[in-house]
Amino acid sequence: EIVLTQSPATLSLSPGERATLSCRASESVRSSLAWYQQKPGQAPRLLIYDASYRATGIPGRFSGSGSGTDFTLTISSLESEDFAVYYCQQRTNWLSFGGGTKVEIK
Amino acid sequence: QVHLLESGPGLLQPSQTLSLVCTVSGGSISRGVSYWSWIRQLPGQGLEWIGYIYHNGLTYYNPSLESRGNISVATSKNQFSLTLTSVTAADTAVYYCARLRGDAFDMWGQGTMVIVSS
Repeated sequence: EIVLTQSPATLSLSPGERATLSCRASESVRSSLAWYQQKPGQAPRLLIYDASYRATGIPGRFSGSGSGTDFTLTISSLESEDFAVYYCQQRTNWLSFGGGTKVEIK
Repeated sequence: QVHLLESGPGLLQPSQTLSLVCTVSGGSISRGVSYWSWIRQLPGQGLEWIGYIYHNGLTYYNPSLESRGNISVATSKNQFSLTLTSVTAADTAVYYCARLRGDAFDMWGQGTMVIVSS
């Protein structure tokens, strides 16, 4: 089983700031990594697939990078609606999710 | 636009069998290369993949379920289902159905809360 470790657990930032979220895999997942955003009481929403491709309708301020074991989700300038929990997910070896990073208002 | 909607009982007693149905609208469950999936989220925790099914019946399950889970598909109804046997309080969660396209879940249902309590 591939374990995905997300850091930090919580990120406290102000609107307009840049957010950098990390996801590290216990073994290589090549580029098979997705990122999701989840707000309270809502289902997760796909942001990024195959490490760096934005899903349909996702704003350009969201970007993904990385391959192998180290991945990054960057939000270039936080907007009020971006404060949420973010999860990474792989499907190279079975399927697993990371534990999540909460982006909260500072 | 494809929509998914979960349905099922909200409350179960320990040792009972959980049965959930996901109804897919706006597209055929039999078309394309999608896998139809179940994911759950324990209270205040992260996401846990349960399993997924292809329209021909091919299934994959999370080994952590220890064979308690079964996913089936009813293409004529454009539905797929989850049964989970011998539930305990540890199965209390929000259960989501979702479409797995490629390696990512691109469409999700709204989720349904299932509570296991005596």
